[in-house]
Formats: sequence, structure tokens, C-alpha cells
Amino acid sequence: AQSVTQPDIHITVSEGASLELRCNYSYGATPYLFWYVQSPGQGLQLLLKYFSGDTLVQGIKGFEAEFKRSQSSFNLRKPSVHWSDAAEYFCAVGPHNNDMRFGAGTRLTVKP
Amino acid sequence: ETGVTQTPRHLVMGMTNKKSLKCEQHLGHNAMYWYKQSAKKPLELMFVYNFKEQTENNSVPSRFSPECPNSSHLFLHLHTLQPEDSALYLCASSQEVFSGANVLTFGAGSRLTVL
Repeated sequence: AQSVTQPDIHITVSEGASLELRCNYSYGATPYLFWYVQSPGQGLQLLLKYFSGDTLVQGIKGFEAEFKRSQSSFNLRKPSVHWSDAAEYFCAVGPHNNDMRFGAGTRLTVKP
Repeated sequence: ETGVTQTPRHLVMGMTNKKSLKCEQHLGHNAMYWYKQSAKKPLELMFVYNFKEQTENNSVPSRFSPECPNSSHLFLHLHTLQPEDSALYLCASSQEVFSGANVLTFGAGSRLTVL
């Protein structure tokens, strides 16, 4: 069965600094990969997804992620973080919606 | 309204109460889901409905009872809950269930506290 690991529970970055959130997955075939963001008191919003093709995918709010099959990773990046990016970020993997696995999340704090 | 709407947003109940959570989607999707989000734990899939038929029950205790009267509405009936059931309950929908290419759209959640 597939699984997702987000090694960092909490990350703090300064506003304007670059950001990378790590995600490692376990799955036997080419997975569908997702990054979601959850602001306080809100549901999850899709940032970006990878299904096939170009391994560097662009998402909303200036985020991008790179699929690296050899490392079983799908790390999320942003070149310059804004205070409004403070939230919890979830990586997810799954072949099907009824069998999707989410990571435990990484909480991002942005320092002024 | 657009998207996925959940009511109530907050619910406090005693262990002997009976209450219900409601979810409505205005996206024309055919699949709906209930997830449980507890602190420091990954999202747990509870139930999946595809075209009103339940396709997944992820070993959820019987004190949680889902109902899907049509493709737009999903309920979670709660009775004799335990304090450990306190969590954020998220509803989601997608165009169909058996394809990972169909993205989940989430509601804002119902924060449940069991006293």
C-alpha cells in the first residue's frame, strides 16, 4: 500500500526567504501526487498535482514541486515566502481517490 | 453557492447526544467523502460514496453513520460518541472516485468537541 512521509513537522522561515517542504512517498508504480494547503479554520486547498509528463509542476500562489522518481520524492518549493503562506501543508499520494494517503503535514511559520 | 459547504462549522455534544453533520457540494461531482482530521495525525478516510452508493467504509465505528441521499448531499450522523472522537471532520467531493486524476475539493470542516 502507498504511504507518505513528511519529515518536517514544523518549519520557520523569514518572509522573503526561499522555502522547501519535503515529501517522500512509497508506491509501486508511478503515483498521482498532490500538495494541499490548509489555513487555520479552513479545509484543504489544492496547490498543485503531478500525474505524468514534466516532472516540475507549477501550482497556485507561486508554488512549484518536482517529482524525483529515483528519490521517491515530491518536494514543494517557493522562491520567496510571503506572510500569508503561513499554514499547514499536506502531501498526498494515491492511485484512486478512495485509496489516497496523506502525510501528517508540515506547519509553516513565517517570521516578519 | 459554489464549492463544498459544511454545517455546522462547530459542534459541541455530550456523549449521549445525537447530532448530524451536513455536507453539500455545488460542483456537479459524483463522489463524496468523509475524512477525520485529528491533531498530529494524517487525514483518515472514513467513508466514500460514488453515485450515492457507499464504496468504502474504512473500519469506522458504528457510532458514526453516513447517509448520502443524492450526489450533492452527504450527512454524518453521530450518536454516543467518545471524547477521542473530537476532531475536525472534513467533507470532500470529486468528479468520480476510481481515478486519481480527479482532484478532491474539500469543505472547510466541522469542528466537533465531545464532552
